[in-house]
Amino acid sequence: DTGVSQNPRHKITKRGQNVTFRCDPISEHNRLYWYRQTLGQGPEFLTYFQNEAQLEKSRLLSDRFSAERPKGSFSTLEIQRTEQGDSAMYLCASSIQTGYGYTFGSGTRLTVV
Amino acid sequence: GIQVEQSPPDLILQEGANSTLRCNFSDSVNNLQWFHQNPWGQLINLFYIPSGTKQNGRLSATTVATERYSLLYISSSQTTDSGVYFCAVGGGADGLTFGKGTHLIIQP
Repeated sequence: DTGVSQNPRHKITKRGQNVTFRCDPISEHNRLYWYRQTLGQGPEFLTYFQNEAQLEKSRLLSDRFSAERPKGSFSTLEIQRTEQGDSAMYLCASSIQTGYGYTFGSGTRLTVV
Repeated sequence: GIQVEQSPPDLILQEGANSTLRCNFSDSVNNLQWFHQNPWGQLINLFYIPSGTKQNGRLSATTVATERYSLLYISSSQTTDSGVYFCAVGGGADGLTFGKGTHLIIQP
């Protein structure tokens, strides 16, 4: 069990560019979550996968955001045409099933300049 | 959506002190978790506790689901307990709603 791994740890991009983040959950966890956290706030839910199926998306997930989890393993979160307001920490978490707590990764800090 | 309020927002204590952090939520929940975010930003799950009482070392938590609140107790505080404590609630397997957190500083 190596925990939840997120890459890259930091990303600086110019406004208008596309970025993609990767999350590798704990191997036996079939649930995977993406959250976004800005300074001084709690994490905000973005989307949730059970295996490869994306079961829930927040209103925060605009059409510039897309997430995938091919084959129910790792997941990617892509942001197209980045805006300065997208600057935040993007967190991934996984859990084995309902009734168990989340394990969070260390996050990817995105800065849009 | 469900509202989560945490209190106090900030807490400064001396090492060795005890503390109680509170989480109030606006609707019935099937999922309630407490997390500690350390000064490096890592979120650590402390408890999964939609109801009842649990203890883990110096930490314990109680959720009274019928009255829509949860309490996190920290005894004999250590400097490593510093950070932000979040309560997060949800209806089940879907996404959690986090409170704004309690920022705890333990002074040596």
